[in-house]
Amino acid sequence: KAGVTQTPRYLIKTRGQQVTLSCSPISGHRSVSWYQQTPGQGLQFLFEYFSETQRNKGNFPGRFSGRQFSNSRSEMNVSTLELGDSALYLCASSLGVRGNTIYFGEGSWLTVV
Amino acid sequence: AQSVTQLDSQVPVFEEAPVELRCNYSSSVSVYLFWYVQYPNQGLQLLLKYLSGSTLVESINGFEAEFNKSQTSFHLRKPSVHISDTAEYFCAVSGEIQTSGSRLTFGEGTQLTVNP
Repeated sequence: KAGVTQTPRYLIKTRGQQVTLSCSPISGHRSVSWYQQTPGQGLQFLFEYFSETQRNKGNFPGRFSGRQFSNSRSEMNVSTLELGDSALYLCASSLGVRGNTIYFGEGSWLTVV
Repeated sequence: AQSVTQLDSQVPVFEEAPVELRCNYSSSVSVYLFWYVQYPNQGLQLLLKYLSGSTLVESINGFEAEFNKSQTSFHLRKPSVHISDTAEYFCAVSGEIQTSGSRLTFGEGTQLTVNP
C-alpha cells in the first residue's frame, strides 16, 4: 500500500512569508503527527491530529499550526517565517493507538532566506 | 516527562565488524521503545520496537536491541555491519497514551559510518 506522502518535497521561502505543507497518511490511519528536524535541535514534535482533532501539541510558538481533514489528510502552516524555521518537516501516520508503528514520510525541506 | 539520550553522536566502524549504538531513556511511566534509521535525504524507517514480552527484539536486516528496565537502556546491536548500514539511527520512546498519543520523543541520533 502507498506510504505517507508529503508535498512539496522542497521549497524556498522568504522571511516573513507563510508556508503550508501537506501530508497524506497511509490509508486507514487516523493519526497524523508532524515533526521538525534540524541539525541543532534534532527531531522535535510539533503536534498530532486524530480524527480531525488536535490530540497533542509540542512546545512551538503559535506561528505553527495544523489541521486535519475528514479524509485524514493533514496540513501544517507556518506564518511569519523566520530563518530558524529552515528545517526538514516530517509527517508521520499511524492507527493512533499507543504502540502502533508510526510511519514517516520523506519530509518537506523548507529553506527560509 | 520523558527523555532519550544516545550516548554516541558518531560511530565509525569497519565493514563486517560488530557495532553497538547506545540508548538510555528516562520516564516516570512505562514506555514503548523504538529504533528508527534515516538514510540521506529520506524520512525515518522503523528498524524495530519493544512493546512488551521478550526483552530482545530483532529486525529483519540483522539488527537487534535489548530492553533493560533496570538500566533504562535499549541498545542497538549488529554482529556484522555492511557498507549499506551507513545511516543515522534514532532511538525513541512513546509514553502513556493519555499524555502522549502517538507522540515520540527522540534521541539526538547516532551517525553510523561503515568503512571498507
